[in-house]
Amino acid sequence: GDSVTQMEGPVTLSEEAFLTINCTYTATGYPSLFWYVQYPGEGLQLLLKATKADDKGSNKGFEATYRKETTSFHLEKGSVQVSDSAVYFCALSDPLSGTYKYIFGTGTRLKVLA
Amino acid sequence: DADVTQTPRNRITKTGKRIMLECSQTKGHDRMYWYRQDPGLGLRLIYYSFDVKDINKGEISDGYSVSRQAQAKFSLSLESAIPNQTALYFCATSDLGVGQTTGELFFGEGSRLTVL
Repeated sequence: GDSVTQMEGPVTLSEEAFLTINCTYTATGYPSLFWYVQYPGEGLQLLLKATKADDKGSNKGFEATYRKETTSFHLEKGSVQVSDSAVYFCALSDPLSGTYKYIFGTGTRLKVLA
Repeated sequence: DADVTQTPRNRITKTGKRIMLECSQTKGHDRMYWYRQDPGLGLRLIYYSFDVKDINKGEISDGYSVSRQAQAKFSLSLESAIPNQTALYFCATSDLGVGQTTGELFFGEGSRLTVL
């Protein structure tokens, strides 16, 4: 079945450091890919998404490129801030599976130090 | 007010008790979901509903039941709670419509359940 694998955390960085959180997926069809973010005490909210190969999603300085050849959707940010401290989830939705379910990775906790 | 509202936000109960978690939404979406979040396991799908008459089991439905009372309301029940059902539960809706191939999930703020 479809699955998402993302790097384990926690990831601890200093402010203004470069961030990469790796995400790879397996899917039978051509899924849409998402990054969701969960700030402390809150529900998840969409950070960015990409719906086809080579698409780049971007938002709030974060970006991720849909790489079909490597089945990856790595999240990057050039300069993190303390306010970026949160848990980040990679997810996919594969409409060709016929179920329109969303499959999530285990989440990566990011802590940014001032 | 939040678009997706969950009640209660926190609940402590004892083994064997019946618990209902409620979710209501004002987004007008047909598709609704219940997820469970556990440390190190991410989010796992319990049940999902594509309309009032369509209820589907997710990957971890054992021990849970749901009711879709209306388009806007989707409740999750634990008939006889057990300690390993201690978790953070999220309700979500999706704007994915008929004929579309992608959509976004909109989450409530979560219901933290502790079963002693």
